[in-house]
Amino acid sequence: EPEVTQTPSHQVTQMGQEVILRCVPISNHLYFYWYRQILGQKVEFLVSFYNNEISEKSEIFDDQFSVERPDGSNFTLKIRSTKLEDSAMYFCASSERAGRQPQHFGDGTRLSIL
Amino acid sequence: SQQGEEDPQALSIQEGENATMNCSYKTSINNLQWYRQNSGRGLVHLILIRSNEREKHSGRLRVTLDTSKKSSSLLITASRAADTASYFCATDPEKLVFGKGTKLTVNP
Repeated sequence: EPEVTQTPSHQVTQMGQEVILRCVPISNHLYFYWYRQILGQKVEFLVSFYNNEISEKSEIFDDQFSVERPDGSNFTLKIRSTKLEDSAMYFCASSERAGRQPQHFGDGTRLSIL
Repeated sequence: SQQGEEDPQALSIQEGENATMNCSYKTSINNLQWYRQNSGRGLVHLILIRSNEREKHSGRLRVTLDTSKKSSSLLITASRAADTASYFCATDPEKLVFGKGTKLTVNP
């Protein structure tokens, strides 16, 4: 069964550095998402992406964050000037259609900011 | 917000028993989805029920939906230790909004 893959599985970065988290969504999916889960807390929506542009974003997704689909397969989340509170699991998801089809999640990237 | 809220927050049962989790939501929906999250892993889609459906089955899972009460339930029959996970409901907008979930522990 096709799956969403995320790399790296664990990223350790110094505070203030930039990180790029990578995702390969399922190939025939058109909608892409990033979520975040701080340890012990809820899974929180960050951003959705369709047709090469952001379709919706949460309050968390401020100017520090950006997303990109640089080619036909990858979907990336860039976090600039990382802060300690950015430490979390970041999940990528994709779906065929928005709202009416299930989202398929990757296993996440654990981001640790030191 | 379309956030679903799960109840109970935690549930501990013995292997072989049935587990029932409930979800309440606030606004009208087109569909409702249940997801599972094993510790430290991503969410796995379990089942989607549309607003015009009242009950749906998938293997050992049974989901009911009562749109008049804005509630849904997830029943796992003949539970196994591998069912130990957190379970979340989510309603149908483009962004999934998850509650705190029900943490299910199935003891062998």
